[in-house]
Amino acid sequence: AQSVTQLDSQVPVFEEAPVELRCNYSSSVSVYLFWYVQYPNQGLQLLLKYLSGSTLVKGINGFEAEFNKSQTSFHLRKPSVHISDTAEYFCAVSDRGGGFKTIFGAGTRLFVKA
Amino acid sequence: GAVVSQHPSWVICKSGTSVKIECRSLDFQATTMFWYRQFPKQSLMLMATSNEGSKATYEQGVEKDKFLINHASLTLSTLTVTSAHPEDSSFYICSATPGQRETQYFGPGTRLLVL
Repeated sequence: AQSVTQLDSQVPVFEEAPVELRCNYSSSVSVYLFWYVQYPNQGLQLLLKYLSGSTLVKGINGFEAEFNKSQTSFHLRKPSVHISDTAEYFCAVSDRGGGFKTIFGAGTRLFVKA
Repeated sequence: GAVVSQHPSWVICKSGTSVKIECRSLDFQATTMFWYRQFPKQSLMLMATSNEGSKATYEQGVEKDKFLINHASLTLSTLTVTSAHPEDSSFYICSATPGQRETQYFGPGTRLLVL
């Protein structure tokens, strides 16, 4: 079984400042890792995913994440945030070898202030 | 990119009625579709996994007789909330995969309010 822990429920940050949203996971098997963004009253949009290869993954909207196997982490970063980045961000994992089931973290609310 | 639609986007109904929510993959064939439920300010909780032409697999604690799922074609899955009650009010989101384990496309969600 897998689990996902997002360490911060809310992250306030000023516009143009850097941000890191933390995600740790636990799993007894190899996993795929994802970050999704959800704007109010909308579904989820994929930001980026780690499948294999380079541990630094670049996604849309200037976001990137680094997979750290030893620390079982997949933190999301952006060097300079915009007001429009205000949203809920979800980290997720799915089992490589099993079915398609995806487990989501509790979410981190990113609030960008002017 | 791949698009998944949901209909309706929001619905208000009286307690005791049934509500059907449709999930469609518009430009790809979805071998598997998923239904999630999201309460305010919470994460997505998987309700069931739906494969075309077979019975859905429900997660523990989800009543299959209350949340009826039909995956009649490779582009359509429906979730019917039977005899809805106020506690069923929630945001329901579907997702679909074309068969690749690492790819899942999400619909925009359906907000259900049961009065």
